[in-house]
Amino acid sequence: ETGVTQTPRHLVMGMTNKKSLKCEQHLGHNAMYWYKQSAKKPLELMFVYNFKEQTENNSVPSRFSPECPNSSHLFLHLHTLQPEDSALYLCASSQEIGTGNTEAFFGQGTRLTVV
Amino acid sequence: DAKTTQPNSMESNEEEPVHLPCNHSTISGTDYIHWYRQLPSQGPEYVIHGLTSNVNNRMASLAIAEDRKSSTLILHRATLRDAAVYYCILRDLGFGNEKLTFGTGTRLTIIP
Repeated sequence: ETGVTQTPRHLVMGMTNKKSLKCEQHLGHNAMYWYKQSAKKPLELMFVYNFKEQTENNSVPSRFSPECPNSSHLFLHLHTLQPEDSALYLCASSQEIGTGNTEAFFGQGTRLTVV
Repeated sequence: DAKTTQPNSMESNEEEPVHLPCNHSTISGTDYIHWYRQLPSQGPEYVIHGLTSNVNNRMASLAIAEDRKSSTLILHRATLRDAAVYYCILRDLGFGNEKLTFGTGTRLTIIP
């Protein structure tokens, strides 16, 4: 248990569906991240939030829409996804940006399958 | 961003020490060296990090070269549960550079 909880753990959705992934941490961290991990590929950073403000959007398609209502919660809203979006989506948190001397904590991930 | 280079895979016998190398020849003075590992079907897990001096914790040791252009993660006594992909990452202290970018890592196989 890392202190970062992701729900759901598994999700199957059709290409016309709308769904949301949820990430929650109560570690007192102010930076939160979304990563995508496709089969046999390195983790790809998608979004970074620092004190609820988005500081990084790594050229992610608009069918992925992040939301950070407070420093403890992060959402990834999904709509009209493609089969190639099937992957493991990982959330992480750390102390605020600018402190390279601290570690990041990852959730277990949501295994997404788009059919 | 400064890059790291790691071997794609390594094998080690159970209960023996493991030395996982990482090259980072373009490291800057404000880059911390972080190591994470990812066990099968799990999210990455923090292992250790350091700046200039060697570091020890309950999981591993980190040996950093004097010129900081390379480092080695040391698992003192490998167990089967240490089989994972190990990532060496540079993390800049400066504001606005908090990307925590992962490479392909080293897949460590432990032989019983």
